[in-house]
Amino acid sequence: DAKTTQPNSMESNEEEPVHLPCNHSTISGTDYIHWYRQLPSQGPEYVIHGLTSNVNNRMASLAIAEDRKSSTLILHRATLRDAAVYYCILRPLGANSKLTFGKGITLSVRP
Amino acid sequence: DARVTQTPRHKVTEMGQEVTMRCQPILGHNTVFWYRQTMMQGLELLAYFRNRAPLDDSGMPKDRFSAEMPDATLATLKIQPSEPRDSAVYFCASGLGTDNEKLFFGSGTQLSVL
Repeated sequence: DAKTTQPNSMESNEEEPVHLPCNHSTISGTDYIHWYRQLPSQGPEYVIHGLTSNVNNRMASLAIAEDRKSSTLILHRATLRDAAVYYCILRPLGANSKLTFGKGITLSVRP
Repeated sequence: DARVTQTPRHKVTEMGQEVTMRCQPILGHNTVFWYRQTMMQGLELLAYFRNRAPLDDSGMPKDRFSAEMPDATLATLKIQPSEPRDSAVYFCASGLGTDNEKLFFGSGTQLSVL
């Protein structure tokens, strides 16, 4: 499985934008980029996913580099509730494909 | 809101005892995943099912773990006999089974084996 690399941690200030980077230099053409997050004492939660084009939803935006070797999850205005571990995952196209988690990045939000 | 339900939320047992964890996927979902989370190993995929058939259980210790789906509304993960190293949070997730499905996770079963 193609791997992703994320920093271990990041800090941000409340109400400011947050950019969470992810490197995936060995991504293949059929790998989708998925982001999940895990709030303290909860199960993971889907955030967003994309293939080539940038994606927006109510939770976040996903910016994908033109060569697809990296991507950035953007939280437009961080809140204290956004403090969580964020996982960047490559998932091959196909209904039977796995979702394999790495270590993720721990986001702290300062009031 | 539809959600994945896991029972029990907490389980404390003694080494050697059988443990059964249950998961009720969201109605209409046909893929079910089992994960285990520890501080050391993070989130590990144990097994996953599609339409109640196991697709991959290579992440599961075969000698003591077993995963089944007796019907579409119930998935079970059993450990027999349990060992202290099995102490972890076990998560179940379900999805529609389509390409790039979103997975919805339960709140987990926190297992402590003494």
